[in-house]
Order: sequence, then C-alpha cells, then structure tokens
Amino acid sequence: GQQVMQIPQYQHVQEGEDFTTYCNSSTTLSNIQWYKQRPGGHPVFLIQLVKSGEVKKQKRLTFQFGEAKKNSSLHITATQTTDVGTYFCAGPRNTGNQFYFGTGTSLTVIP
Amino acid sequence: DAGVTQSPTHLIKTRGQHVTLRCSPISGHKSVSWYQQVLGQGPQFIFQYYEKEERGRGNFPDRFSARQFPNYSSELNVNALLLGDSALYLCASSLGRTDTQYFGPGTRLTVL
Repeated sequence: GQQVMQIPQYQHVQEGEDFTTYCNSSTTLSNIQWYKQRPGGHPVFLIQLVKSGEVKKQKRLTFQFGEAKKNSSLHITATQTTDVGTYFCAGPRNTGNQFYFGTGTSLTVIP
Repeated sequence: DAGVTQSPTHLIKTRGQHVTLRCSPISGHKSVSWYQQVLGQGPQFIFQYYEKEERGRGNFPDRFSARQFPNYSSELNVNALLLGDSALYLCASSLGRTDTQYFGPGTRLTVL
C-alpha cells in the first residue's frame, strides 16, 4: 500500500539554526499538505502544494514539491522556540479528502 | 466562528466496552473525517463522510463505525475495545471533499 515517510524522525537545533524535514511517498501524489502539531495539541494546516516543482514561502518557512510529485520538503530558516512541534506531511488517497500522514519530524529548539 | 469541536476530551474505558465519540464541524463544512493518532505516530485515516454518506474507509476493523447527521455533525463508534485502541481520535472538517482540513482538539481514549 501507499506509504509516506519522513526524515529525520527527530531533530534538535540551537535557536537560530536552520531546519529541514523531508517527505517521501511510494506513489505519485496529486497534492501534498503540511501540518504542524504542537505537543499536546492537534494538527494545524500549514500549506498545500499542487504543482510539480512548486515552491511556496510563509515567512521563514519554505515548502517544496518535487518534480516527480513523490517528495516534498519543509525548510525553516533561523528557527525560533515557537517552531517547536512535530511537522507532518500528508498525501491524499485515491479520491476525496482522505490523507496518508507521514511519520512526522519532531523539532526541538534549544534556546 | 467556532472551530471543530469534539467531545468528550478524555475518556477511560475497559476492554470489551464500546465508546461513542462526537464531532461538530465548522459551520458550513459538509465533510468530516476521522483519524486515529497513536502516541509518537502520525494520524491514521479511519473514515470520511460527506453529505451524510461514507466516502472512504481506512484499514480499520469492522469494530469501528461512524455516521454523519443531517446537521453534518458526526459520531465515531468503537465496539469491543482493545488495549490497542488507546489513542487520540481526531476529527477534521472541510468545506468539500478535497478542501483544506481543519482538525478538532481530539478525544484522548484510554483503554484499561
């Protein structure tokens, strides 16, 4: 079946350092979504990428969708303590709004 | 506007019991999806309902069932609870079947 994997599983960075998480799917995705989940919280939608090679930016966050639409990345520049949480990518099943979530990358920012 | 609401927030049950979890979507949203999130893992898709019909089902046993009401709220039912059913159960609503999902705070179920 379809699998969505993320690396790394955990990442500790000093505040101000950059951070990147990578998402890889076993199948081609029509789109990919990214979510952030704070400790004890619920996933919060960040962004959706649809086009091959698409790059989107939200302040210090840069999202990229691979040319083959099987991988994606999230890069955070100059991390802050407010960036702490687990970042998930999610790719859709065949139809509808049913998503396979990645394994997640847990980010810890050391002040 | 209120976001997605879920009840109860926490629940403790024993093996063999059944449980009903409830979700109210954002006003105007017609699609509700249910996910199970075990500690340390990503959410796993259970069901999607749109316009009161089941539109998708994940790889979960028949002990799991759900329904959507005319007001678009939804219930998730789990029968014959197992220890492994302990998890955070998340509800997500969206305008249509493929629009952005907004998650509720979840119901944390503990099975003893």
